[in-house]
Amino acid sequence: DAKTTQPNSMESNEEEPVHLPCNHSTISGTDYIHWYRQLPSQGPEYVIHGLTSNVNNRMASLAIAEDRKSSTLILHRATLRDAAVYYCILRALTGANNLFFGTGTRLTVIP
Amino acid sequence: DGGITQSPKYLFRKEGQNVTLSCEQNLNHDAMYWYRQDPGQGLRLIYYSQIVNDFQKGDIAEGYSVSREKKESFPLTVTSAQKNPTAFYLCASSLRQGSDTQYFGPGTRLTVL
Repeated sequence: DAKTTQPNSMESNEEEPVHLPCNHSTISGTDYIHWYRQLPSQGPEYVIHGLTSNVNNRMASLAIAEDRKSSTLILHRATLRDAAVYYCILRALTGANNLFFGTGTRLTVIP
Repeated sequence: DGGITQSPKYLFRKEGQNVTLSCEQNLNHDAMYWYRQDPGQGLRLIYYSQIVNDFQKGDIAEGYSVSREKKESFPLTVTSAQKNPTAFYLCASSLRQGSDTQYFGPGTRLTVL
């Protein structure tokens, strides 16, 4: 799977929107963009994924650039429970399952 | 409720001992995975299994072994050959391999004394 680049850390005020960027310039046409988050001392949890079109679910929105070389995870109103490390991952549709977690972005939510 | 369980949550072992970490899922998922996480780092894939009685090495399989005798279970053995076994171990499963969402267990923190 291709690699991704994310900022090491970001801060947000509580109840403000948060935009978490991810660059994936070597993405292939069949790679899905997945986002997971990991709360302290817990296993990661799935947040959202997409291929080409923007996606929304109850947790977040995913905005994918037209050339697919970057994407942005949007938390519409950050809460203290959203403080976590957010991972942007590219997943091939088929083939070996080398799910690559980088160091992600540590989001701090300020009350 | 469906999910993935890992036990124990904390595990202490003496250097040179083998230790087996448990992972069970009742999601009826075909694929299961083991990851290792070191402090401040991302996850690294140790082994994965796409189907019962079959498994493949991940990026850091040396010093580890697995078995997949049942669909629900994918135990990981950390052997004495693993040079630096102290870490946070995470088990995950997905319906199939590939792009499917992975569901993670709560993790086992192994400390080798």
